[in-house]
Amino acid sequence: ILNVEQSPQSLHVQEGDSTNFTCSFPSSNFYALHWYRWETAKSPEALFVMTLNGDEKKKGRISATLNTKEGYSYLYIKGSQPEDSATYLCASNFNKFYFGSGTKLNVKP
Amino acid sequence: EAGVTQSPTHLIKTRGQQATLRCSPISGHTSVYWYQQALGLGLQFLLWYDEGEERNRGNFPPRFSGRQFPNYSSELNVNALELEDSALYLCASSTVYGPTNTGELFFGEGSRLTVL
Repeated sequence: ILNVEQSPQSLHVQEGDSTNFTCSFPSSNFYALHWYRWETAKSPEALFVMTLNGDEKKKGRISATLNTKEGYSYLYIKGSQPEDSATYLCASNFNKFYFGSGTKLNVKP
Repeated sequence: EAGVTQSPTHLIKTRGQQATLRCSPISGHTSVYWYQQALGLGLQFLLWYDEGEERNRGNFPPRFSGRQFPNYSSELNVNALELEDSALYLCASSTVYGPTNTGELFFGEGSRLTVL
């Protein structure tokens, strides 16, 4: 059984704070690591798809890094805004997409 | 372009009944994934279909089954419903299939199943 773990489970920050979350996954038989944002009453939407060790991806104020040898990925949000409030999910693809339980981010104005 | 569509949005059944959920992928996508999100839990992988075949399944009993049609739409069937099957069922589609499937998943809005 594949375990994809995320931490922290939840996070409360003030507007303007920078924050980061962790996703850990078994490093063997790795194909790809995905990050998704899931806002309340909406469907999960992809943020990043990462495949290579050392990958770094950026989209606006959000960025992610990948270490496939040690089996972890970090998601960073710079200068959090209330609209960043959502659950952030990572998924590891081992011929099945296994999702972590997510980090729920709440950004207070 | 239409996104992933799921039906019904809500479904109420009683224990022992059968439920059928449907998913239409984005045009051109051949892979369909099914996930269950029970209350307080994360997304649990149920099934993966590609090109009409079941490619992989998660750790669920055989009463969870499905199929993919020639037009790549998919059905999820849950037989002999139990109370703990009450959950949000999400369908997702992607375009790339293969050992290095890196295609992102596009999700539907889900079907909420309530078992009484």
